[in-house]
Amino acid sequence: AQSVAQPEDQVNVAEGNPLTVKCTYSVSGNPYLFWYVQYPNRGLQFLLKYITGDNLVKGSYGFEAEFNKSQTSFHLKKPSALVSDSALYFCAVRDKEYTDKLIFGTGTRLQVFP
Amino acid sequence: DSGVTQTPKHLITATGQRVTLRCSPRSGDLSVYWYQQSLDQGLQFLIQYYNGEERAKGNILERFSAQQFPDLHSELNLSSLELGDSALYFCASSVEGGRTYEQYFGPGTRLTVT
Repeated sequence: AQSVAQPEDQVNVAEGNPLTVKCTYSVSGNPYLFWYVQYPNRGLQFLLKYITGDNLVKGSYGFEAEFNKSQTSFHLKKPSALVSDSALYFCAVRDKEYTDKLIFGTGTRLQVFP
Repeated sequence: DSGVTQTPKHLITATGQRVTLRCSPRSGDLSVYWYQQSLDQGLQFLIQYYNGEERAKGNILERFSAQQFPDLHSELNLSSLELGDSALYFCASSVEGGRTYEQYFGPGTRLTVT
């Protein structure tokens, strides 16, 4: 079965420093991977996706993600963190190659300190 | 603002009752998805509709049902409610049902069963 794992419940980073939120995946077939962010009392906001092509995917709010097939990873990154980036981040994968539902990781809480 | 609307924002009801959650997808989106977010289960896919037809089912209880109407809005019906049904229920929509399309989430309905 398709799955994603987010090994860190929380990531702490100082404002201005680079941040990485980790995600690994397990899929049969081609991976279709997504990152979402959830702010308190809000819905999930789409950040970026990897379908095919370049391994470095650029998304909203200065975020990017690096797809690594050999390590089956899809880590979310940002060169310089902002306090306003503090939120809950979810990695997700399409269930199977021919269905549409998303399977989410457990989420990583990012805390950016001033 | 994702363009997906959900009503009501909050719902408090008693065990054994029945409630209806409503979702309006983004203009032009044909596919609607329902997800449940709870502390113990995380984000779980419930059901998907595409242009009025059920397309995929996830971990949806028999006490729960959904439908998508000709104007493409969707309703999730939860009956014989139990304390464990307390959760945040999200609706999402996408342009089509295809695997490459990202889903856009509404703000959610927080259901509290007492």
